[in-house]
Amino acid sequence: AQSVTQLGSHVSVSEGALVLLRCNYSSSVPPYLFWYVQYPNQGLQLLLKYTSAATLVKGINGFEAEFKKSETSFHLTKPSAHMSDAAEYFCAVSGVNAGNNRKLIWGLGTSLAVNP
Amino acid sequence: DTGVSQNPRHKITKRGQNVTFRCDPISEHNRLYWYRQTLGQGPEFLTYFQNEAQLEKSRLLSDRFSAERPKGSFSTLEIQRTEQGDSAMYLCASSLLINWQGEGEQYFGPGTRLTVT
Repeated sequence: AQSVTQLGSHVSVSEGALVLLRCNYSSSVPPYLFWYVQYPNQGLQLLLKYTSAATLVKGINGFEAEFKKSETSFHLTKPSAHMSDAAEYFCAVSGVNAGNNRKLIWGLGTSLAVNP
Repeated sequence: DTGVSQNPRHKITKRGQNVTFRCDPISEHNRLYWYRQTLGQGPEFLTYFQNEAQLEKSRLLSDRFSAERPKGSFSTLEIQRTEQGDSAMYLCASSLLINWQGEGEQYFGPGTRLTVT
């Protein structure tokens, strides 16, 4: 079984400040981990993914995340927030075995607000 | 390649009516997923297809829900006798299973927002 916990349903940062969105996962199989972003009235866009290669993953828009197996974490960071980063962010996990359903199991999301 | 498209984008229906949504995946993608997202929640898996075969259905998918992908291309999701609790965003995603070891990421459509009055 797999699950995702996103700590903090709302995060507020100042423009230019560090962004840190927390995600912890539980998985009985080696996981693939994802961060998606959702802007209002738009679909989900993949920011980055971990698929058992490098543990530090770089994504689009300056975001990156580090897979830490010992902490079962996959926190999302960005050194300097921009106003355009304001959106809903979702962490998701799926199993590695392609023979099984690769359905994504999602966290509840974290709403990021960026203050001028 | 225009990405994953979904139609309609919005649907308002009265309780008890049937509705059907369509998803057109990225053309070469062989896997297609349906998810449901309610306000303030993350998406929840409903069902998925590999080519035309429906391989898994969530227990969230009651008997009133049915999905098809008849030719392994577009998919439809039908809800019969809609209830107010069906109001949600219905998301479609597609991906490419490259080989037995690898599947690309899921690309999402913009969703269909259903409101049941």
